[in-house]
Amino acid sequence: DTGVSQNPRHKITKRGQNVTFRCDPISEHNRLYWYRQTLGQGPEFLTYFQNEAQLEKSRLLSDRFSAERPKGSFSTLEIQRTEQGDSAMYLCASSLGARGGGDTQYFGPGTRLTVL
Amino acid sequence: RKEVEQDPGPFNVPEGATVAFNCTYSNSASQSFFWYRQDCRKEPKLLMSVYSSGNEDGRFTAQLNRASQYISLLIRDSKLSDSATYLCVVMIAGKSTFGDGTTLTVKP
Repeated sequence: DTGVSQNPRHKITKRGQNVTFRCDPISEHNRLYWYRQTLGQGPEFLTYFQNEAQLEKSRLLSDRFSAERPKGSFSTLEIQRTEQGDSAMYLCASSLGARGGGDTQYFGPGTRLTVL
Repeated sequence: RKEVEQDPGPFNVPEGATVAFNCTYSNSASQSFFWYRQDCRKEPKLLMSVYSSGNEDGRFTAQLNRASQYISLLIRDSKLSDSATYLCVVMIAGKSTFGDGTTLTVKP
């Protein structure tokens, strides 16, 4: 399967703990995106990378969130000092990064985080 | 006001019906537009891109009106398998903004 993969699929943690999620994009895709989705809402943009460069980060993202894509391949999203409000599905997507629009994103299955 | 707004529905229609969804966006600089489909507890999947001239893919037709800043999705001859949440997506320079989705239930 050459689609986007995410690990773990589920994570339960206690408030105050740190968690890290991994995303492996489709191999030839330059762009990688992170989103957060809660029930009844659409995916909320968190950040995206063009190769290893983090080009944009949502203003909604607190300093507790950090993402990396060190070699322009897989990416990690870390949440420090988790809060109950962080409970959500964390989605990763990748794309070719086509110029002039038409940049289709392919999503991974997500990591469901529950903070107790 | 949200950047991308959709009627949440739900839309409950019988098989074979035609149903239309609208989506409005606030940023006139938006460059790319898409419709995604999301099944319950699954990831979003691309349904179709939306082009200025309008485009059709089988039973699905998408339209873009830049002047009024809205996009639409028309589904003809609805099937039970069309039941899902339909997400409108607007993109500017790599940043994507999703609507909260419109839920469609097609009943026998």
